[in-house]
Amino acid sequence: DSGVTQTPKHLITATGQRVTLRCSPRSGDLSVYWYQQSLDQGLQFLIQYYNGEERAKGNILERFSAQQFPDLHSELNLSSLELGDSALYFCASSGGYNQPQHFGDGTRLSIL
Amino acid sequence: ELKVEQNPLFLSMQEGKNYTIYCNYSTTSDRLYWYRQDPGKSLESLFVLLSNGAVKQEGRLMASLDTKARLSTLHITAAVHDLSATYFCAPGGSNAGNMLTFGGGTRLMVKP
Repeated sequence: DSGVTQTPKHLITATGQRVTLRCSPRSGDLSVYWYQQSLDQGLQFLIQYYNGEERAKGNILERFSAQQFPDLHSELNLSSLELGDSALYFCASSGGYNQPQHFGDGTRLSIL
Repeated sequence: ELKVEQNPLFLSMQEGKNYTIYCNYSTTSDRLYWYRQDPGKSLESLFVLLSNGAVKQEGRLMASLDTKARLSTLHITAAVHDLSATYFCAPGGSNAGNMLTFGGGTRLMVKP
């Protein structure tokens, strides 16, 4: 158990819809990262927050947004969903620059 | 843009044999992470290598980092079936954040 909690575990929805993925980091970790894993793109970094502020941005689509709240949990919002957004979305947290990132179990998103 | 290449992409080996997975990356990074992923599961942190020449060992796995050659290796000694998984390397980001850029992964199958 990494200590990172992601909900929901599975999400099935239709094209054009909007969903919110939630992540609670390990106790004490200020950094939260979001990654997308798909068969064709592999594991890709989306965005990082540190103590409520956006720290780094990767290949995140404009239809996607994220935020980190004062209690340090984070949400990833995906809108105008397309079939290609079907993937496993991971959240990770870390306690510092040279510490490993600990990954949650992921949210499997299926777009029908 | 940082590019990460792992080879081989797929490795089938007999129990008891030794083998090395290679991870090459294209731009300077002073940190490199190795992760393991079982099918349909999360990523488990194996090693964090923080400096040139760093070597870390855990059980039958040993990882090393050569930052000048931009190369990391994951050596497997006397493989056992339980090591069957996909292994990812990921250099750390050089910006203020710590985004990870993952290689394509090496799928390891250890046969009895």
